[in-house]
Amino acid sequence: ETGVTQTPRHLVMGMTNKKSLKCEQHLGHNAMYWYKQSAKKPLELMFVYNFKEQTENNSVPSRFSPECPNSSHLFLHLHTLQPEDSALYLCASSQVGTVDEKLFFGSGTQLSVL
Amino acid sequence: AQSVAQPEDQVNVAEGNPLTVKCTYSVSGNPYLFWYVQYPNRGLQFLLKYITGDNLVKGSYGFEAEFNKSQTSFHLKKPSALVSDSALYFCAVRDTFRSSGSARQLTFGSGTQLTVLP
Repeated sequence: ETGVTQTPRHLVMGMTNKKSLKCEQHLGHNAMYWYKQSAKKPLELMFVYNFKEQTENNSVPSRFSPECPNSSHLFLHLHTLQPEDSALYLCASSQVGTVDEKLFFGSGTQLSVL
Repeated sequence: AQSVAQPEDQVNVAEGNPLTVKCTYSVSGNPYLFWYVQYPNRGLQFLLKYITGDNLVKGSYGFEAEFNKSQTSFHLKKPSALVSDSALYFCAVRDTFRSSGSARQLTFGSGTQLTVLP
């Protein structure tokens, strides 16, 4: 148990559906992240929230919409996705401002877009 | 810009033998280097890190990594592999610490699948 919980674990959706991924961290961290993991590719950083403010958006298509209502919760809203968006979506958190800063990851949501 | 290369997609080793998972990096300043491991159906877990000091870093589960500045490498090693070490291993790099307080990007490699054969 890493202290970062993601739901659902698996999600299958059609290209016209709207769904949301949820992440909750119980570590008291001040930053949260969404990563996309595709087979044999580097992890792709999608969004960063630091002190609840979005600080980075790495050219992610608008069909992905993040929301961070407080420092413990992070959502990724999905709509009109494409089959190439099928991947494992990982949430992570960290305590920014420490030399020892490291990421703590959730188990991910395996997304399949049909 | 910073980057990480893991030249091997797959490494196979017999149980009890030493293992090495390779990683090279490129950063503009001094690097902070990390290894993470991902077991099946799980998220990534921190294994070890190099910030400064001794070039040989020891981490969880008997793993260690050697920082080599001249070769810009940070290879992961273990003297005697276990079947339970089979997993996906990621190397990552971050540039030197900035005190701005803002979140910084960690650049990951593409991962190396380690299979330890009984």
